[in-house]
Amino acid sequence: DTGVSQNPRHKITKRGQNVTFRCDPISEHNRLYWYRQTLGQGPEFLTYFQNEAQLEKSRLLSDRFSAERPKGSFSTLEIQRTEQGDSAMYLCASSQKTGDEQYFGPGTRLTVT
Amino acid sequence: EDQVTQSPEALRLQEGESSSLNCSYTVSGLRGLFWYRQDPGKGPEFLFTLYSAGEEKEKERLKATLTKKESFLHITAPKPEDSATYLCAVQAWGSSNTGKLIFGQGTTLQVKP
Repeated sequence: DTGVSQNPRHKITKRGQNVTFRCDPISEHNRLYWYRQTLGQGPEFLTYFQNEAQLEKSRLLSDRFSAERPKGSFSTLEIQRTEQGDSAMYLCASSQKTGDEQYFGPGTRLTVT
Repeated sequence: EDQVTQSPEALRLQEGESSSLNCSYTVSGLRGLFWYRQDPGKGPEFLFTLYSAGEEKEKERLKATLTKKESFLHITAPKPEDSATYLCAVQAWGSSNTGKLIFGQGTTLQVKP
């Protein structure tokens, strides 16, 4: 069990560019979550996958954000036309069952200049 | 609306000085309450899950308790390595049943030697 992994760990991009992050959950976990965390705040829920199905999206997830989980394994989160307000830590978590504890990855720190 | 409030925002202790962190929550139906530890620049690390009022969990110098309105994280004789941000999160029963976590803003603990 290698835990949840995320790539890249850090991303610096210019406003208006597109970025994509990847999350590899714990192998036997079929539930996958994306959260966003800004400095001094707790993580905020963005979206949820059960296997390959995206079952919930937060109102925080504007049209510029899209997430996928093809084949129910790894997941990607894409942000189009990035804005300075998108600067944050993007966290991925996975769990085996709803109600179980979620295990978090190390996060991807996005800085939009 | 489901909500979590943690207090204090920051806490400074001397090594060996015991204290408690508070997590107050408002949720339509509590499925579970989770405590996480987060070190700077890293993802949250799971500590405890509590499911019903009166439940207690312990791990080394940490003990978590739960009532119908709040949870406490008691730290006994802390050491400098306990310095971190402690996050509380709730999971609610609801129509979406996705298991998303609703986090408080965290308590940043500093333990001085």
